[in-house]
Amino acid sequence: NAGVTQTPKFQVLKTGQSMTLQCAQDMNHEYMSWYRQDPGMGLRLIHYSVGAGITDQGEVPNGYNVSRSTTEDFPLRLLSAAPSQTSVYFCASSYSTDNSPLHFGNGTRLTVT
Amino acid sequence: KNQVEQSPQSLIILEGKNCTLQCNYTVSPFSNLRWYKQDTGRGPVSLTIMTFSENTKSNGRYTATLDADTKQSSLHITASQLSDSASYICVVSVNTGGFKTIFGAGTRLFVKA
Repeated sequence: NAGVTQTPKFQVLKTGQSMTLQCAQDMNHEYMSWYRQDPGMGLRLIHYSVGAGITDQGEVPNGYNVSRSTTEDFPLRLLSAAPSQTSVYFCASSYSTDNSPLHFGNGTRLTVT
Repeated sequence: KNQVEQSPQSLIILEGKNCTLQCNYTVSPFSNLRWYKQDTGRGPVSLTIMTFSENTKSNGRYTATLDADTKQSSLHITASQLSDSASYICVVSVNTGGFKTIFGAGTRLFVKA
């Protein structure tokens, strides 16, 4: 049971570089979301999607883009990396937004130098 | 302002002992409250979900309580095991639909032999 798969696990970027964090789920969930986790803070929502072709901004969307061309995949793009984007990024999926649990991937640890 | 505060920040207990973690929230309108367990280097995993009408829910040795009047929740761990060492995150959803969820910063629990 793969669940939610994130790649890569670790990444180091230089300031100004771009990259895509991959996220795939095999549970046929309509809802997918991206979070960042910083020390001493709760997870913060970056972008989310309620289905293929539909995306929306979360709490901290600046500097990130997303797309949802299929139900399974929800990649997160960093357009021009900045040191402030050093964080651990988690992708999650859920059956609905009501009382369904979020299923998280195991994260991507990103360092921007 | 919607906020979720957890206490203590960290806790050390001996194996076999019980412990209780606290979560206070100022989220309105309330939809549901969830507890997640996050092992080091992994994504959070759902333990319990409680709606407004539920005041207790169990998952094995984990029991969550909810007092919607005082806006407080607790997570009680019975007969702790070394594998309970993890961060425990309280998450409150706002009843506006979509992905309006507020994450607490978590309580880091260390269980010692």
